[in-house]
Amino acid sequence: GEDVEQSLFLSVREGDSSVINCTYTDSSSTYLYWYKQEPGAGLQLLTYIFSNMDMKQDQRLTVLLNKKDKHLSLRIADTQTGDSAIYFCAESTAGGYNKLIFGAGTRLAVHP
Amino acid sequence: DSGVTQTPKHLITATGQRVTLRCSPRSGDLSVYWYQQSLDQGLQFLIQYYNGEERAKGNILERFSAQQFPDLHSELNLSSLELGDSALYFCASSVPPDEKGGYTFGSGTRLTVV
Repeated sequence: GEDVEQSLFLSVREGDSSVINCTYTDSSSTYLYWYKQEPGAGLQLLTYIFSNMDMKQDQRLTVLLNKKDKHLSLRIADTQTGDSAIYFCAESTAGGYNKLIFGAGTRLAVHP
Repeated sequence: DSGVTQTPKHLITATGQRVTLRCSPRSGDLSVYWYQQSLDQGLQFLIQYYNGEERAKGNILERFSAQQFPDLHSELNLSSLELGDSALYFCASSVPPDEKGGYTFGSGTRLTVV
C-alpha cells in the first residue's frame, strides 16, 4: 500500500542545519518530492528526486534517498527564520501523472 | 502567484448546504487534482481529472463531486455539508509527466461549516 510518514515537529537554531526525515512504503515510487507550506499559503514545490538517484543538491537544500530502506531526507543548510514552515514529503509512482501521496508534514520552527 | 487560481479564498456556510469551489489550472496544464487538508487527517487526495476525464479517485465522499470543463477549469461540489467538512481545499495542476515532476498548488479555499 501507499503510506508516507514523517515526524511532526523539528526545532532548530538559526544558522544550524535542519534535517527532516520521511519514510515511504511504495517500492514502485519513481519520484519523491519535498513541498513547503507557509502559514495561509498553498504548497510550494521545493525539490524532487528521481528514484534512481541517491542525492540531489540545490543551493541550501540537499535531498538524500536510501531506496533500500525507503527513507528520504531533506537537509536545509544555514537555516533561517524564513524557513519556518511545514514541510511535506510526497511520493508518486509516475512523475506528476498519478496522485501524490503526502506525509502529515513536519513543522519546522527556527529560533534565534 | 503560482498560476493556479482558486476561488473563493474563504467560504462560511451552514450545515446541510451545498457549495462549489472553483479552480483554474496553470496555463498549459491538463491535469487537475483536488486535495483536502484538515488538522486531524493531513493532506488527503480527493480526485484527479485529465483533459476533462476523471483519472483517479481517492478518499472522496459520495456527497462530493467534481468535474473538469472543456476550458480545463475544474469545480468541486460539496453537498449536505457537515461540520467535519471544514477544511482547506487545495487544487493543483500539472502537465503529466512534466520534466520537473510534481504539481503546482493553488492557495486554497478555506471552508468553514457552522
